[in-house]
Amino acid sequence: EAEVAQSPRYKITEKSQAVAFWCDPISGHATLYWYRQILGQGPELLVQFQDESVVDDSQLPKDRFSAERLKGVDSTLKIQPAELGDSAMYLCASSSRGESDTQYFGPGTRLTVL
Amino acid sequence: AQRVTQPEKLLSVFKGAPVELKCNYSYSGSPELFWYVQYSRQRLQLLLRHISRESIKGFTADLNKGETSFHLKKPFAQEEDSAMYYCALSGTGRRALTFGSGTRLQVQP
Repeated sequence: EAEVAQSPRYKITEKSQAVAFWCDPISGHATLYWYRQILGQGPELLVQFQDESVVDDSQLPKDRFSAERLKGVDSTLKIQPAELGDSAMYLCASSSRGESDTQYFGPGTRLTVL
Repeated sequence: AQRVTQPEKLLSVFKGAPVELKCNYSYSGSPELFWYVQYSRQRLQLLLRHISRESIKGFTADLNKGETSFHLKKPFAQEEDSAMYYCALSGTGRRALTFGSGTRLQVQP
């Protein structure tokens, strides 16, 4: 069964360093989401792509976060510089087109900023 | 703005007891409501959605627009139901999900 892949699974970095996370959605899924989940909270949307275009990045802290999906397939989320408050689980999800598209989640990348 | 509230962080029941996980939402239009579940060491996955009106693993949820609620229910809890449960909402024309903070269900033997 096809699954969303993410790497790395864990990342420890020091504040002010740059980090990058990678997501490979299920083949054929046009919509890709990045969510951030702080401990004890539910996931919150950072950015949504439709193919290679950003359709919602209203909650993305653009001074330090960037996201791209150049060929409309896999995606990279970058943080530069990382801050202590960025410690969280970063989840990627994908879905196919359609009115009742289900979002399938990856295993997540747990980021710890020291 | 849309918001999902799950008032209980932890719900502990004994095997065979009924379960009700509460979810309330605020949204001005016609939302689509979901329950997602995360079992230990597994990824987040869809449990059910209100438009399907189906029972999954014995769980059901009814959308009550008057009370803006979407509570998850199961008549007889099983130990394998122990997991983290998230209620989520998507709005008209916006497929991204707004999640509640989650409820951990513990089913004791």
